[in-house]
Amino acid sequence: DSGVTQTPKHLITATGQRVTLRCSPRSGDLSVYWYQQSLDQGLQFLIQYYNGEERAKGNILERFSAQQFPDLHSELNLSSLELGDSALYFCASSPQGGAGNTIYFGEGSWLTVV
Amino acid sequence: GENVEQHPSTLSVQEGDSAVIKCTYSDSASNYFPWYKQELGKGPQLIIDIRSNVGEKKDQRIAVTLNKTAKHFSLHITETQPEDSAVYFCAASRQTGANNLFFGTGTRLTVIP
Repeated sequence: DSGVTQTPKHLITATGQRVTLRCSPRSGDLSVYWYQQSLDQGLQFLIQYYNGEERAKGNILERFSAQQFPDLHSELNLSSLELGDSALYFCASSPQGGAGNTIYFGEGSWLTVV
Repeated sequence: GENVEQHPSTLSVQEGDSAVIKCTYSDSASNYFPWYKQELGKGPQLIIDIRSNVGEKKDQRIAVTLNKTAKHFSLHITETQPEDSAVYFCAASRQTGANNLFFGTGTRLTVIP
């Protein structure tokens, strides 16, 4: 158990809908990351937050947004969902936000869009 | 941006044999290289990492080697056990700036009892 908690574990929703994925980082970690894992794209970095502020942005679609709250938990909002958004979404955390910090992954939220 | 290539995509070994997974990277500024193990239905778990100031690191049956000149690094698992069966990912990131990991495409390791 990495200490990173994600909810929900599984989610099935229809195209066009909006969902929110929630993440609690390891105790004491200030930085949160979101990654998407799909069969054809592998593990793709979406976005990083550090102590409430956006730190880096990767291949995140404009239909997706995220935030990190004062208590350091994070939410990833996915809107106008398409079939191709079906994937495993991982939250991860690290003690600090700088490069080279060890990143610990949660168990993932499996999203199925039908 | 960084491009990490990983080989082989699948690997089957007999229990007790060694397994080697290789990765190459493109960005010469990368100098942090973690390896993750992902079991079915679970998130990636860090198993070992190496930074560019060392060429080799070992932790029990697992070792990682790094050749910065050639831009490649490898994972070595000795005395493999059935519980080593999983998908292994290599990754690379810079030591400065944002902390985004660039992952390889994964290697599915099967250890045959």
